[in-house]
Amino acid sequence: GENVEQHPSTLSVQEGDSAVIKCTYSDSASNYFPWYKQELGKRPQLIIDIRSNVGEKKDQRIAVTLNKTAKHFSLHITETQPEDSAVYFCAATGGNEKLTFGTGTRLTIIP
Amino acid sequence: GAVVSQHPSRVICKSGTSVKIECRSLDFQATTMFWYRQFPKQSLMLMATSNEGSKATYEQGVEKDKFLINHASLTLSTLTVTSAHPEDSSFYICSAMKNSGRASYNEQFFGPGTRLTVL
Repeated sequence: GENVEQHPSTLSVQEGDSAVIKCTYSDSASNYFPWYKQELGKRPQLIIDIRSNVGEKKDQRIAVTLNKTAKHFSLHITETQPEDSAVYFCAATGGNEKLTFGTGTRLTIIP
Repeated sequence: GAVVSQHPSRVICKSGTSVKIECRSLDFQATTMFWYRQFPKQSLMLMATSNEGSKATYEQGVEKDKFLINHASLTLSTLTVTSAHPEDSSFYICSAMKNSGRASYNEQFFGPGTRLTVL
């Protein structure tokens, strides 16, 4: 089955700086890679996703890059704000449509 | 929109009792729903895939007789934790798959989760 690794597990950045979270996956058949933001006690919220036929996608301050050859994808948050503090999960899925989640990154934005 | 609800949001029960959690897709039909479990400070772990009109598919290590899943309609899946014990205390989250029209993947929408505490 799919295995998704995520790094770092914790990340602290100064407000206004950029944050980068990286994930690798094992199943070359995976074709959909969403990123979720989860606040304490709440549901995961989809913040951006990318499909295997695209190398990069951007939505305002958030961007995701995908390297299919190396089987890794990354989340980039620019101009970080205090409200960006949360736990972020990457995920991957292939033909069976089951999401495999990474282990999560606790992002703290320091004012 | 694509709204998924869960009920109850919190439940506290005594050891040995059973607890039923409902997952509803409010404004779309969902042939497939998923049930996840999330322990504190950990990731979401898929427990089972719930398919309307057929038996659920359980992930390795998840006891099907302990976690009963029923997907009786296109908008409702239920998870029953039978003979609950303290180690079953966790955050249970469902998701419902909406057909986005894309051949490669149907987007999942998550419920708000149910916090189960077994005393």
